[in-house]
Amino acid sequence: QVQLQESGPAVVKPSETLSLTCTVSGGSISGYYWTWIRQPPGKGLEWIGYVYSSGDTYYNPSLKTRVTISVDTSKNQFSLKLSSVTVADTAVYYCATTLIRGVLGASDIWGQGTMVTVSS
Amino acid sequence: DIQMTQSPSSLSAFVGDRVTITCRASQSINSNLNWYQQKAGKAPKLLIYAASYLQSGVPSRFSGGGSGTDFTLSISSLQPEDFATYYCQHSYITPFTFGPGTKVDIK
Repeated sequence: QVQLQESGPAVVKPSETLSLTCTVSGGSISGYYWTWIRQPPGKGLEWIGYVYSSGDTYYNPSLKTRVTISVDTSKNQFSLKLSSVTVADTAVYYCATTLIRGVLGASDIWGQGTMVTVSS
Repeated sequence: DIQMTQSPSSLSAFVGDRVTITCRASQSINSNLNWYQQKAGKAPKLLIYAASYLQSGVPSRFSGGGSGTDFTLSISSLQPEDFATYYCQHSYITPFTFGPGTKVDIK
């Protein structure tokens, strides 16, 4: 079955760029939407955006000027870059996807999440 | 953006109780509403999609209903493993925002 695994630095300095990768195993990245979601400590979930396997992207307007999501089909990976980070970007970052045919946005497969702390 | 609200924000219940959580969208989202369960330190788990479709492997005591702006998640007989935080999320138009969550704990 499809599994997702996030990877990347656990600590990022303020004003720098947060970079995370999600590796897809057990299935192909092609033909599906791949999503990033984050959760600050003790708070709720925030939808960051997604990328289709073709490279088409959709971002949350609240983050649009700072976020880039990309896909590498040759590596079966997709990535998140968030620039000019502040302490408010400290969160658990999840990658997720929807494998339910004909359903967009209901994430049925999630990575375990990776905690990223913005700190000098 | 479509705003999602949930009520109550928290509730306490006994094992065996019937529990209902409400989610409201700031505009009509048809049936594009999903429910997740999240336990401490874990990723969310999809329970219900498209308002009323039970995700594969989810116990039948969970059910979802509603359309338009008002939705419900019901648990027919609360089990010990159901104590968690529940989130609704719309998938009508991007961004697919989440509700603030409802924490269900033991009475």
